[in-house]
Amino acid sequence: GQQVMQIPQYQHVQEGEDFTTYCNSSTTLSNIQWYKQRPGGHPVFLIQLVKSGEVKKQKRLTFQFGEAKKNSSLHITATQTTDVGTDFCAGNNAGNMLTFGGGTRLMVKP
Amino acid sequence: DTAVSQTPKYLVTQMGNDKSIKCEQNLGHDTMYWYKQDSKKFLKIMFSYNNKELIINETVPNRFSPKSPDKAHLNLHINSLELGDSAVYFCASSQGGTPPYEQYFGPGTRLTVT
Repeated sequence: GQQVMQIPQYQHVQEGEDFTTYCNSSTTLSNIQWYKQRPGGHPVFLIQLVKSGEVKKQKRLTFQFGEAKKNSSLHITATQTTDVGTDFCAGNNAGNMLTFGGGTRLMVKP
Repeated sequence: DTAVSQTPKYLVTQMGNDKSIKCEQNLGHDTMYWYKQDSKKFLKIMFSYNNKELIINETVPNRFSPKSPDKAHLNLHINSLELGDSAVYFCASSQGGTPPYEQYFGPGTRLTVT
């Protein structure tokens, strides 16, 4: 079945440093979604990428979808303590079912 | 107004018991889901339910059964609970159709089996 791998599993950064999490799928995806789960909370949708090579920005967050539609990344510029939590990618290749990556747990030291 | 709600928030029970978790969404969505999140934060889809069509993740034991009395509700019933069932269970909903639309998650139910 479809597998979605995410690295790194954990990342500690100093506040103000940049951060990137990478997502790789074993199969070609029709689209990819990103979610953020804050400590003690539930996953919250951030964005969806559909087109090959697509790049989208949300303030300090930059999302990319690879040309082959098998990988994606989330880059956070100048992290803040409010960025702590787990970032998940979730891939889809048919229907409504999403396969979530293992998540990257981000910790930010003030 | 809470978009996706779940009850109970916490559930502590003994091995062998049967329990249910309820989920309701007021977003008018066609599709609802159940996810299991283990202690390592891995989030796994268990079921997708869309207009009476049930899609089951084949790795889910048949002790787990979703029940949908109507489009706004998707409950999860678990028989003969085991220690390994301890996890946080999230309900989610989305519009139906393609491409898959963003999913709205409930607050989660933390199940502890002793």
